[in-house]
Amino acid sequence: GQNIDQPTEMTATEGAIVQINCTYQTSGFNGLFWYQQHAGEAPTFLSYNVLDGLEEKGRFSSFLSRSKGYSYLLLKELQMKDSASYLCAVREAAGNKLTFGGGTRVLVKP
Amino acid sequence: NAGVMQNPRHLVRRRGQEARLRCSPMKGHSHVYWYRQLPEEGLKFMVYLQKENIIDESGMPKERFSAEFPKEGPSILRIQQVVRGDSAAYFCASSPPVSGVGGELFFGEGSRLTVL
Repeated sequence: GQNIDQPTEMTATEGAIVQINCTYQTSGFNGLFWYQQHAGEAPTFLSYNVLDGLEEKGRFSSFLSRSKGYSYLLLKELQMKDSASYLCAVREAAGNKLTFGGGTRVLVKP
Repeated sequence: NAGVMQNPRHLVRRRGQEARLRCSPMKGHSHVYWYRQLPEEGLKFMVYLQKENIIDESGMPKERFSAEFPKEGPSILRIQQVVRGDSAAYFCASSPPVSGVGGELFFGEGSRLTVL
């Protein structure tokens, strides 16, 4: 079976840093994805990890440890517009289907 | 370069009616995926299609739900005899043919179905 876990909600202050953790147990692994979704909108792609280590993209970074079945998304210099849900997703070895976790709602406060 | 186009954006149906949701993938994309999202929840996979072929329908309910992606025209998700529990946002995503690296999915804006 598949199990992808992430916290339901996090709150942080504008300008601060927030780390969203994601743990997964899947029958296969061919990449981990992070998406951002504002309320009522489409999910948009943020990052992709397939090898262990850190991928940095501006204010956003994503880390992967395949041996631990663990990833995190790091958001730096938080802005009010970063208030959104962040979805962790795993692509298993077969095909291109992504399996999503329940999402983490991040609320950025002034 | 248009993104993934879904219509209708909002659909209201009474119990027992049929709902048809349409999705046109991005240009050059031959793979289509349908996901369902309930309020405050994550995306639940329903079905993965290529042109004229269902690749994976492991997330589709056994009854009332069907999907197709014909040679010409958009992909269609069809829900027959809708019930209140079908009320949700239905997202379509597309991707180019499978590759060994990357291969993120590109999502449409979703179709929000309300069953009265």
